[in-house]
Amino acid sequence: ETGVTQTPRHLVMGMTNKKSLKCEQHLGHNAMYWYKQSAKKPLELMFVYSLEERVENNSVPSRFSPECPNSSHLFLHLHTLQPEDSALYLCASSQDWRGAGEQYFGPGTRLTVT
Amino acid sequence: GEDVEQSLFLSVREGDSSVINCTYTDSSSTYLYWYKQEPGAGLQLLTYIFSNMDMKQDQRLTVLLNKKDKHLSLRIADTQTGDSAIYFCAEILTGGGNKLTFGTGTQLKVEL
Repeated sequence: ETGVTQTPRHLVMGMTNKKSLKCEQHLGHNAMYWYKQSAKKPLELMFVYSLEERVENNSVPSRFSPECPNSSHLFLHLHTLQPEDSALYLCASSQDWRGAGEQYFGPGTRLTVT
Repeated sequence: GEDVEQSLFLSVREGDSSVINCTYTDSSSTYLYWYKQEPGAGLQLLTYIFSNMDMKQDQRLTVLLNKKDKHLSLRIADTQTGDSAIYFCAEILTGGGNKLTFGTGTQLKVEL
């Protein structure tokens, strides 16, 4: 148990659906991250939030919309996705954004877009 | 640019040593990490090394860093079936915030 939980663990959605991924960290950290993990590709950093403020947005299409209502919760809102968006979406947290503290990962949400 | 490369697959016999290699291109790395991902799970930090170190040992794990060649390796002594997983190396660059750049991962299979 890493202290970072993600729901749902699996999600199948059509291209016209709207869904949200949820991440919660119980570690008292100030920074939270969304990563995309596709087969045979490196993990791609999507977004970073530090103290509820977005500090990194790595050219992610607007069909992915993050939300960080407080330092413990992070959401990824999905709408009109494409089949190539099917992947494992990992959430992580760390004590701070500045510095190189350990990132703690959740188990991920396996997303399939049909 | 940022590019971290790993071989995709490694197979070893139980009890042997495993060596997983990683090369990176950006010389401004400050920290280099090894993460482990078991099936259906997120990434777990195994160990890390600061860029001014050459070696770090932690129980069965030994990390070697060759900055001249931009080469990082992870040696697992006495490899067990529970070590079967995907291993990712990652780097953080100077002034880049806590932003990890990952390799593609090496699938380690431990056979009896």
